[in-house]
Amino acid sequence: DTGVSQNPRHKITKRGQNVTFRCDPISEHNRLYWYRQTLGQGPEFLTYFQNEAQLEKSRLLSDRFSAERPKGSFSTLEIQRTEQGDSAMYLCASSFSVDEQYFGPGTRLTVT
Amino acid sequence: QQQVKQSPQSLIVQKGGISIINCAYENTAFDYFPWYQQFPGKGPALLIAIRPDVSEKKEGRFTISFNKSAKQFSLHIMDSQPGDSATYFCAASGSSGSARQLTFGSGTQLTVLP
Repeated sequence: DTGVSQNPRHKITKRGQNVTFRCDPISEHNRLYWYRQTLGQGPEFLTYFQNEAQLEKSRLLSDRFSAERPKGSFSTLEIQRTEQGDSAMYLCASSFSVDEQYFGPGTRLTVT
Repeated sequence: QQQVKQSPQSLIVQKGGISIINCAYENTAFDYFPWYQQFPGKGPALLIAIRPDVSEKKEGRFTISFNKSAKQFSLHIMDSQPGDSATYFCAASGSSGSARQLTFGSGTQLTVLP
């Protein structure tokens, strides 16, 4: 399968712990996006990379959130000191053109 | 305002019927309007997309109608099938430097009865 992959698919953590998610985009895609989706809602933009440069961050991305794409390939999203409100599906998307974004299966985070 | 409003929240149609989902936007800077289909536990999958320079785009059983003056667009699913049962999201984006930040509607849960 040459689509966007995300790991882990599910993560359960206790409040206050740190978690890290990984996204592997489609190989020729230089643009990578992170979104967050809560139950019954559409995805909300978090941040965007073009190659290794983080070009945009939403105000939703508090200082507990950090994202990296060190070599312009895979990306990681870390949440420090998790809170129950962080429970959501975290989606990664990649694109080659400026328009068509292809999403991965997501990582479902549950904070207990 | 970046909001995209989507209706209805849920929709039930009979097999073979037409499913229609509507969206409205406010930001006139939006110039790309995709529709995504999402099954439970999966990521959204790009279905079809349109730009404001055309009023309609058709791909198979899926058609987008676009009304630039009203700032509205809709998805029509012809000959709806039970396998089309999923949540559908409209979205919109505009240029922001080199980024295409998608703003999504709240979704429509479609159920197609056999």
